[in-house]
Amino acid sequence: TQLLEQSPQFLSIQEGENLTVYCNSSSVFSSLQWYRQEPGEGPVLLVTVVTGGEVKKLKRLTFQFGDARKDSSLHITAAQPGDTGLYLCAGGNAGKSTFGDGTTLTVKP
Amino acid sequence: DAGITQSPRHKVTETGTPVTLRCHQTENHRYMYWYRQDPGHGLRLIHYSYGVKDTDKGEVSDGYSVSRSKTEDFLLTLESATSSQTSVYFCAIGPDGRPGNTIYFGEGSWLTVV
Repeated sequence: TQLLEQSPQFLSIQEGENLTVYCNSSSVFSSLQWYRQEPGEGPVLLVTVVTGGEVKKLKRLTFQFGDARKDSSLHITAAQPGDTGLYLCAGGNAGKSTFGDGTTLTVKP
Repeated sequence: DAGITQSPRHKVTETGTPVTLRCHQTENHRYMYWYRQDPGHGLRLIHYSYGVKDTDKGEVSDGYSVSRSKTEDFLLTLESATSSQTSVYFCAIGPDGRPGNTIYFGEGSWLTVV
């Protein structure tokens, strides 16, 4: 079984602060996705990374895939209350995705 | 929004009764998935399908069966529901199993087994 560990599990910060969420595994993945989920809704895809060392930016969000394709990070600059939610990473292999347990982010105004 | 519809969205059932959840897509995607989401366990794959009548088990398949007779429909059946199957169930779809495949999720089905 391929496992993905996310840290921290919970994060509460003030508006304007920066933060980084980590997703680590001992397994190699062919791709890694980050999702954001709000209460009562399904996860929504933020980004997919497929190349070791790849960095993608989505406005204030920066995603990085580790060189060995075993880990990833999500950095948010100047967090806003609208960033509040559950952030999930998922590693993909052979048509299936394994999810981490998620990081619950709360951004206080 | 990806064209995914789950039904029912909410259901309360008694232990030992059969339950079927339906996932319907309008995207003509080849891959369909059923996940369950529980506190402390994240999203766990129950079963998935890579084509009509082609299905395979995920990591938590015990107690569940699936069927896919048409590209657009993927059914998840609990033959005899147990309290441990109380959960939120998400259907997801994807065009193929290649690296970088984008998976889109439905809005979820809340199942309570009493």
